[in-house]
Amino acid sequence: NAGVMQNPRHLVRRRGQEARLRCSPMKGHSHVYWYRQLPEEGLKFMVYLQKENIIDESGMPKERFSAEFPKEGPSILRIQQVVRGDSAAYFCASSPWGSADTQYFGPGTRLTVL
Amino acid sequence: AQRVTQPEKLLSVFKGAPVELKCNYSYSGSPELFWYVQYSRQRLQLLLRHISRESIKGFTADLNKGETSFHLKKPFAQEEDSAMYYCALGGSNYKLTFGKGTLLTVNP
Repeated sequence: NAGVMQNPRHLVRRRGQEARLRCSPMKGHSHVYWYRQLPEEGLKFMVYLQKENIIDESGMPKERFSAEFPKEGPSILRIQQVVRGDSAAYFCASSPWGSADTQYFGPGTRLTVL
Repeated sequence: AQRVTQPEKLLSVFKGAPVELKCNYSYSGSPELFWYVQYSRQRLQLLLRHISRESIKGFTADLNKGETSFHLKKPFAQEEDSAMYYCALGGSNYKLTFGKGTLLTVNP
């Protein structure tokens, strides 16, 4: 089992561009969570998805951010019109069911906005 | 609201010395507490959870509801313990709330 995969590992964007971050959950896991870690901060919950459904997006900024987890393929976190404040590490976790104690984390994507 | 506080950003000890990484939490319900570890260039991984009452790699952590603490302890630190440690609160659902982390350095 390869574990949770995220790509790219590093992403550089200029202000105003779009960023697409991908997360492939562990085999057998249908629950995906996205967390953001700003510099000098802990990881903060953004969104929880099951296949084809957004369950909880209470931690997502209201504008420019969206997430999906299609029936086929990885989960995508999309950030439109990036700004410098979006520079952070974005972590994805997956679990076989919706719970806090079974989440396995990916290596993260480090987004840098120039 | 859920909150986790790790008061020490950096902690440096010598090999063989005891180590304690502090964690305090704020939560009105029945908490689920975890310690995660991130070794250099590796992904975040679960170290232990309070509900299991287990010892992993010599580390233990006891939930103290009176003091709302979940400190991580090891009696004799090893160089390979050097890593970033995060305390996390699970609460009553799937959301994990993390502290800011403590970077532990074990010197030879």
